[in-house]
Amino acid sequence: RKEVEQDPGPFNVPEGATVAFNCTYSNSASQSFFWYRQDCRKEPKLLMSVYSSGNEDGRFTAQLNRASQYISLLIRDSKLSDSATYLCVVPISNDYKLSFGAGTTVTVRA
Amino acid sequence: DVKVTQSSRYLVKRTGEKVFLECVQDMDHENMFWYRQDPGLGLRLIYFSYDVKMKEKGDIPEGYSVSREKKERFSLILESASTNQTSMYLCASSLEGFYGYTFGSGTRLTVV
Repeated sequence: RKEVEQDPGPFNVPEGATVAFNCTYSNSASQSFFWYRQDCRKEPKLLMSVYSSGNEDGRFTAQLNRASQYISLLIRDSKLSDSATYLCVVPISNDYKLSFGAGTTVTVRA
Repeated sequence: DVKVTQSSRYLVKRTGEKVFLECVQDMDHENMFWYRQDPGLGLRLIYFSYDVKMKEKGDIPEGYSVSREKKERFSLILESASTNQTSMYLCASSLEGFYGYTFGSGTRLTVV
C-alpha cells in the first residue's frame, strides 16, 4: 500500500462551487499533515497544516479523520485562481522526510 | 521570505554525461532535500541532508549522489545520466524537520 494516496481527479467545477477531495495515509502514527498547492510547471507551496482534527483558512477547510486515516480538503466558493494540483503530504515516522501524494487536479471554469 | 534557488530552470543533457544540479538557500536552514517529480508518481525523495557534510539516502538514490560542503548549498549529481532520469527535480529546505518546507522553482532535466 502506498504511504499516501489521492484521487487524481481531475475535478472540474464552475466558479462559486464547493469541491472536496480526500487523501488516505498508511502510517497510523502520523501526527501532522500538510496540503501543498502546485500550479502548472511551478514548485509546490504550503497551503495549510493540519495538526489536530482540522484547520480552516478562509475558503479552505482541511479535516482529519484518524480512525479512518484520511484527510480531506474542501474549497468553498471556488475561484478561477484555485485551479491547481493539490498535494497531500504526510511525514514519514519521526525523521525529516515527507511522503507526497501524487496530487489531485482541480480546474475551476468560468 | 526564504529563497531556494536552483541554478537552471531547463537542462538538456546527453546520455552518459555527468550532470550537476545546484541548489542554494539563503535562510540558514539546516535541512535540505532533493526530490524528483514524475506524472502519476508524485514527489520522490532522492537524498537529504540535515547538516554540512551529512547526507542520507532517500527512497530512490540509485544513480545519484549529493554534496553539501557548505550549509547553504546542496548539489545533486547524476554520475552518468540516463534517459530514465528525465524528470523535474525539486530542491527544498527546512529549518526544523519537516515543518516549513520551501521549494526551489525546479529544474526540468531532459536526457537524450
